[in-house]
Order: sequence, then structure tokens, then C-alpha cells
Amino acid sequence: GAVVSQHPSWVICKSGTSVKIECRSLDFQATTMFWYRQFPKQSLMLMATSNEGSKATYEQGVEKDKFLINHASLTLSTLTVTSAHPEDSSFYICSGTGGSIEQYFGPGTRLTVT
Amino acid sequence: AQSVTQPDIHITVSEGASLELRCNYSYGATPYLFWYVQSPGQGLQLLLKYFSGDTLVQGIKGFEAEFKRSQSSFNLRKPSVHWSDAAEYFCAVGAREYGNKLVFGAGTILRVKS
Repeated sequence: GAVVSQHPSWVICKSGTSVKIECRSLDFQATTMFWYRQFPKQSLMLMATSNEGSKATYEQGVEKDKFLINHASLTLSTLTVTSAHPEDSSFYICSGTGGSIEQYFGPGTRLTVT
Repeated sequence: AQSVTQPDIHITVSEGASLELRCNYSYGATPYLFWYVQSPGQGLQLLLKYFSGDTLVQGIKGFEAEFKRSQSSFNLRKPSVHWSDAAEYFCAVGAREYGNKLVFGAGTILRVKS
């Protein structure tokens, strides 16, 4: 099946700094990538949808200036959490699709902001 | 609005017993249905999916699910649970009419007792 990787798998950063998370589709071209956030013991909440070469579409309530998403190529999307604060600590999961409805999920990135 | 309900937050079954995890959805379009499994700190693994055709779908690890349009349900079943099945299970629904976005249920945590 299609494989999606995320890097890093775990990151700790200090409050006020920015952190970038990479999402790569390894064996398919991801025309669309999705970014999800998952708080402990909760479900996945869609943050934004990005299409290659276009601006991301953010879900209601997600701050686009805080969560910067770039989808510059068909195999790479990045999520940058700017000026991170402890409440941004969460598990971030990306997924990609090559045009079908089936999404292929990455292994997730755990962000801890101290 | 689209929604997915997994009414059971926790389920405990004995090893070797049968399992059924419930999923109901409310969707304004022809739904595509998925079941995913997530181990702690890990990403999502697709168990099975329903797009069309036979309403009884076979998946990996011995799981199956049945799509019942009249009941708006897509329950996951396994005839004999193994200790390694202990994890969290998510039902998800999507539709092309909604940009292929997935809406996830709250998840059901499965505990297996020996």
C-alpha cells in the first residue's frame, strides 16, 4: 500500500519558538494532503486540506497564521507551528491522497511545548 | 452536518470471544466508510473500507464490517478476538461531495482480557 512518512516523530520545543513537521508520500503523488490534530484520548480533528501548489484550506476555528501549511510538491507537505505554546502540544497526523477518497496516513508527530 | 457516532467509548472482551464495534453516521451524500485501528502513540492503520457493492466487507486481521444503509450503520466485527487486537478503533466517513474529507467518530478503546 501507499506509504506516508512524517518527520520528526517526536519534538520538544520551548514556548514561543516555531517547529516544522514534514509529511512525505514515499511511493505515490499526493495531490491532496490533510493535516489532523489529536488530543490525548480524543479523535482526529481535521485542521486543514492542502492541494499541491495551492493555498491550504483551513477548518473553522483553526488559526491559519499559527499553523502554516505548505504543499510545494506532490510528495511533500509541511506544517509549521509558529510561536508555539503549551496548548499546542498534541499529536499531529498527516495523510495524503492521489485523488481517490482513500487517505494514507502518516505515523504522526508528537509535539510537546514546554 | 456530517457526523459519525461510536456509542461505545470502551469495550472489554475476553480473548477468543466475538467482537462488534458500532458505528452510525449521518451524512448528506453517498458515504464512503472506513474503519481504522490505532495503537498508542501510533498512526492509523486501515482495517477495511466500503465504497460500493457487496455490503459485507472483509478486512485485514480477520475483521469484517457490514454496511446497512437503512440503519446508517457500519459495524465492525471479529469472530474471535486476540490479545493483540487491544487498541483504539475509529470509524470514518467521507464523500466526494465534501472534498474527500473524512469525519471521524470519537473512537472505541478495546481491551482484551485473558
